[in-house]
Amino acid sequence: GESVGLHLPTLSVQEGDNSIINCAYSNSASDYFIWYKQESGKGPQFIIDIRSNMDKRQGQRVTVLLNKTVKHLSLQIAATQPGDSAVYFCAERPTDKLIFGTGTRLQVFP
Amino acid sequence: GAVVSQHPSRVICKSGTSVKIECRSLDFQATTMFWYRQFPKQSLMLMATSNEGSKATYEQGVEKDKFLINHASLTLSTLTVTSAHPEDSSFYICSASLLAGGSDTQYFGPGTRLTVL
Repeated sequence: GESVGLHLPTLSVQEGDNSIINCAYSNSASDYFIWYKQESGKGPQFIIDIRSNMDKRQGQRVTVLLNKTVKHLSLQIAATQPGDSAVYFCAERPTDKLIFGTGTRLQVFP
Repeated sequence: GAVVSQHPSRVICKSGTSVKIECRSLDFQATTMFWYRQFPKQSLMLMATSNEGSKATYEQGVEKDKFLINHASLTLSTLTVTSAHPEDSSFYICSASLLAGGSDTQYFGPGTRLTVL
């Protein structure tokens, strides 16, 4: 349904630390999951994806973990940089459409 | 990577006028394009799915007569907001689906900020 929220959850991390952003998804039929990064005034940018037959996938500085038992997805960013500051959305795909989560704002401070 | 463009990036119009937004896949052919709307501090909400050469499929609660979608070619889809009102002010984002290696990935455009006065 419509996501209602005046305030996005915010994660504040110090530059150089690792960040973990969590997401709970709703549909057990979802077989594909994606993390997107959205900077202010821009469209979502693909970060990393994972299929339901995997529980972990690594990219450059990013790792996605999938726990199907509890329908939980996480994005780990290593050595967080100021350029990582953005809103991060998880998305699930139960059919041919994407369903986006509510988003988490990542703030990186020096 | 695959590039999707949108035009215009920003538009301001008077209430009651119509606005057309273009979405183009620049370096690939997309059989399916999607239109989303995003209100401030909220997530992306799917409005409709657009397939080349056929009628768009609208999500529940989205008026098809108000949000006209045309998918004229494998690289172009347009969204026309007819008789726009201030409540239609939003960030409109399209995506194009690229099928490669047995899986399809949605690539998003940069968005169009619509402000209706």
